[in-house]
Amino acid sequence: NAGVTQTPKFQVLKTGQSMTLQCAQDMNHEYMSWYRQDPGMGLRLIHYSVGAGITDQGEVPNGYNVSRSTTEDFPLRLLSAAPSQTSVYFCASSYFRANTEAFFGQGTRLTVV
Amino acid sequence: AQSVTQLDSQVPVFEEAPVELRCNYSSSVSVYLFWYVQYPNQGLQLLLKYLSGSTLVKSINGFEAEFNKSQTSFHLRKPSVQISDTAEYFCAVSVAVSNFGNEKLTFGTGTRLTIIP
Repeated sequence: NAGVTQTPKFQVLKTGQSMTLQCAQDMNHEYMSWYRQDPGMGLRLIHYSVGAGITDQGEVPNGYNVSRSTTEDFPLRLLSAAPSQTSVYFCASSYFRANTEAFFGQGTRLTVV
Repeated sequence: AQSVTQLDSQVPVFEEAPVELRCNYSSSVSVYLFWYVQYPNQGLQLLLKYLSGSTLVKSINGFEAEFNKSQTSFHLRKPSVQISDTAEYFCAVSVAVSNFGNEKLTFGTGTRLTIIP
């Protein structure tokens, strides 16, 4: 059972480039989300999805797009990378209930130069 | 909207000493409370959670946390820490309603626990 798989683990981008961070889960979870982790700021929610075809913005959505065409996959797209998007990105999934455990991927460390 | 405050960004503790990591939350409705742990270069994993019932909850590796509604706190404690407990600890809250979009986890800023041999 792989759980939540994120690719790539590391990425360096030049300012203005675009890329997609991949996230896949094999637990049939309805709820998936993307967070960014920055020193001293904890985890901040970027976007989330409550099921295929349904997404919504979190706390810090600017500069990111998401889509959810299947239950398993929830990619995060950076449209035009900026140095402020240098961060560690985590994908998480859970059943769609407030009292359930969130399962996290190993993270993607992104550097924008 | 709910929020979480972890006042201590770093806590150094000697091996086998007790530790308490503080967490306070604010919410206008009932909440579920969680502690997640992040070991170096890894993702977060659930340590323990409070949903309802007994206010004292325990993990399998000796940590415990107590829900205090009057003080809106959920502090994490361990009576005797080990080197392997070195990690970053995040307190999180989720509101107990079922409307679309309200099941979001809100995290604190984290506390880095360092065990000194």
